[in-house]
Amino acid sequence: AQKVTQAQTEISVVEKEDVTLDCVYETRDTTYYLFWYKQPPSGELVFLIRRNSFDEQNEISGRYSWNFQKSTSSFNFTITASQVVDSAVYFCALSEVWGQGGKLIFGQGTELSVKP
Amino acid sequence: DTGVSQDPRHKITKRGQNVTFRCDPISEHNRLYWYRQTLGQGPEFLTYFQNEAQLEKSRLLSDRFSAERPKGSFSTLEIQRTEQGDSAMYLCASSVASGGTTDTQYFGPGTRLTVL
Repeated sequence: AQKVTQAQTEISVVEKEDVTLDCVYETRDTTYYLFWYKQPPSGELVFLIRRNSFDEQNEISGRYSWNFQKSTSSFNFTITASQVVDSAVYFCALSEVWGQGGKLIFGQGTELSVKP
Repeated sequence: DTGVSQDPRHKITKRGQNVTFRCDPISEHNRLYWYRQTLGQGPEFLTYFQNEAQLEKSRLLSDRFSAERPKGSFSTLEIQRTEQGDSAMYLCASSVASGGTTDTQYFGPGTRLTVL
């Protein structure tokens, strides 16, 4: 069965702190994709990153970085020098490739609050 | 490019009434997905279309729910005889996919349904 677990329900930090959001997934497939989406208070899900299961290289995009470790089935997301505008709910999601139509299985989300 | 649009953004209805939502995907996106999100939870897959064909429906999609994508462009989601448990945000997403690959899903702003 496919499952995504985001154990941190809420995180609160002060601006300029670094923060890591955890994501652990379960799948029987060897080929799959992992995603992170941001949902600000306006409600629209904003795509952040997509990672193929064969690509374990870490990725950095500005203040955002992602650490993918197949050995621990984790795909963690770090925001460096957080800003108030980073306040949102962040979702990790899994998509299997074969026979599943690419549907996304989401975690429950982590609500990040960045205080000035 | 215009993003995914959904109409209406908010809908309040009385229990037992029928409601219909519309989703316009990004042009040339051949896959269209519907998800439902309740408060404090991640989105849950409902159904998806590839062009005009509805290829998968979740067990969450009871007989009261029906979705169409008649010309492979916009889609409608209808809920008949609404119940209070149907109150949720209904999200639409679209992507380009072919063969066994999984492309990124881009989400619309959602339709928030409240059933009184």
